[in-house]
This record gives sequence, C-alpha cells and structure tokens, in this order.
Amino acid sequence: TQLLEQSPQFLSIQEGENLTVYCNSSSVFSSLQWYRQEPGEGPVLLVTVVTGGEVKKLKRLTFQFGDARKDSSLHITAAQPGDTGLYLCAGEGLKAAGNKLTFGGGTRVLVKP
Amino acid sequence: EAQVTQNPRYLITVTGKKLTVTCSQNMNHEYMSWYRQDPGLGLRQIYYSMNVEVTDKGDVPEGYKVSRKEKRNFPLILESPSPNQTSLYFCASKLTTNTDTQYFGPGTRLTVL
Repeated sequence: TQLLEQSPQFLSIQEGENLTVYCNSSSVFSSLQWYRQEPGEGPVLLVTVVTGGEVKKLKRLTFQFGDARKDSSLHITAAQPGDTGLYLCAGEGLKAAGNKLTFGGGTRVLVKP
Repeated sequence: EAQVTQNPRYLITVTGKKLTVTCSQNMNHEYMSWYRQDPGLGLRQIYYSMNVEVTDKGDVPEGYKVSRKEKRNFPLILESPSPNQTSLYFCASKLTTNTDTQYFGPGTRLTVL
C-alpha cells in the first residue's frame, strides 16, 4: 500500500508571510497532484506534476516534484486570507493499478489578516 | 454547467437502515469513484468504475456496494450502515483513467447513530 504523509497538519500564519507544505512517501508515483478544498465543497485540482524535479508555478503558489518522484512541496509566497483552506496532495499510481490516487492526510492552512 | 452532483448533501440515519447516496455527472466521463474523508486521513477510495458495468474495490470497500448501469450515474449503497461509516463522502469523475483532472462533487455528510 502506498502512503503519503503531509506536514504540517495545521498551519496558522499572518497575511504576507510565506509557507511551505510537504508531501512525502517511500513509494514512487507516476504523478503528484495538489488540491485545495474549501469548507462544504469537494477538492479542486490546483496542479499536476509529472516529471522528477519539475517545478510549476501558479501565481503565488510554487509546486515542486522531487527528483525521485517520491515527494513534493507546495510553497505559497506572501499568503493572503483567500489562501485559507485544506490542501491535499495525491499521488497517482501505476496504470496497471487503474491510476489509483492515494491522498495525504491534508494540511489545514489559516491565513489571518 | 459541467458538474458532479450528489444527493442527499446531509443525512442522519440509524444503524442497519439501508441507504443510497446518488451521484451523477454531466460530462460524459468514463471514470467515476467514491471516497470517504475522515479527519487526518485525507480521502480514501471506496470503489471506482472505469466504465459502464465495470466496478472495482478501492482501499476501504467493506460495508459498501456500488453499481454503474449508466455512464452518468454511480450510486453508493450502504446495505446495513454502522456508526463507523459516519463520514464525509465524495463522488468524483474524470474523462478516462488516463486523464488527471478529477472533478469532485460537493460531498454528502452522513451520520449513522
């Protein structure tokens, strides 16, 4: 069974500060996805990283996939209250396993004005 | 509007009383799946379906059934609910097994007394 560990579980920061969320596993994934979930809603896909070492940027969010495709990080620069939410990483398994997604436990981010 | 819908959104029931949570998508997606979300555990896959009449177990299938008689619908059935099935449930769909963007429904909060 592939496991994904996210850290920290909870993060509270002031508006304007930076933050990083980590997603680690001992397993190799074909790709790694990051989602954000608002209260009362389902997760929404932010980005998918596929290549080892890949870096993707989405405005103030920077996503990185580890060289060995076992870990990933999400960095938010100058966080804003609108960034508040639950961030989930999900690793995609091999095609033979139906491209199954394994989710991390989530990181709850609170950005205070 | 492209979406995944679930009904009901909230349900309180008692142990042993059969219930069905419906899921429907209007995007002609082949792949659909059900997840449950519990604090600190992220989302865990219950069942998935790669196409009509094709269903398979996810990580936590015990106590659940599904069916996929039509492409758009993927109901989740709890024949005899128990308190440990109290959770937040999400239905999701994506175009094919090989595509990465998975769309989640708004969730169904189930409480089993």
